[in-house]
Amino acid sequence: QKEVEQNSGPLSVPEGAIASLNCTYSDRGSQSFFWYRQYSGKSPELIMSIYSNGDKEDGRFTAQLNKASQYVSLLIRDSQPSDSATYLCAFSSFGNEKLTFGTGTRLTIIP
Amino acid sequence: KAGVTQTPRYLIKTRGQQVTLSCSPISGHRSVSWYQQTPGQGLQFLFEYFSETQRNKGNFPGRFSGRQFSNSRSEMNVSTLELGDSALYLCASSLPPPSSGRQASTDTQYFGPGTRLTVL
Repeated sequence: QKEVEQNSGPLSVPEGAIASLNCTYSDRGSQSFFWYRQYSGKSPELIMSIYSNGDKEDGRFTAQLNKASQYVSLLIRDSQPSDSATYLCAFSSFGNEKLTFGTGTRLTIIP
Repeated sequence: KAGVTQTPRYLIKTRGQQVTLSCSPISGHRSVSWYQQTPGQGLQFLFEYFSETQRNKGNFPGRFSGRQFSNSRSEMNVSTLELGDSALYLCASSLPPPSSGRQASTDTQYFGPGTRLTVL
């Protein structure tokens, strides 16, 4: 079983709609969870971090964490063409700086 | 505040050569991690340095090494380059962990632009 599972996509969403990205992880010791956005040819850019069960909202982005189900998701509301990118989920264990990444979901927003 | 910087941005080497990549973390950040990104394997952790000490190491051969200086700048070295070492090498920095009462927010890592290494 892979440590982090992400649907590689591609995921196509109409402009203005909600994009939903999902990630499951196997390490129950995971404490910190992150969503990064990566444009083609660029480095990952932090979108959201979440540490506690529940929802965390930041502008058009909402991260959801369910540690019992070992599941983290990212919702993007009012999707824009500029949101087209690969989205990477990652986690780390408390006290360990190593980030374990999923393979990424390629998201395309259709105008 | 300036972000993470990496030099050089692009490198072309031939098999058997060695290469040194440099990373300067965000001011005040003392932890530096290195990652390799390839289309086939995705983002993989190489190693992490804090206070000039390697604290964590990924599953890479000994040809991959690194170090950190007293100003928190870090270098990684790859010796005897192989074709499969062609990749984007990313450096990320984060705040140091406090000795107690650690806040999870200090785990957040910020990436530099990367060094694109091509091995011919």
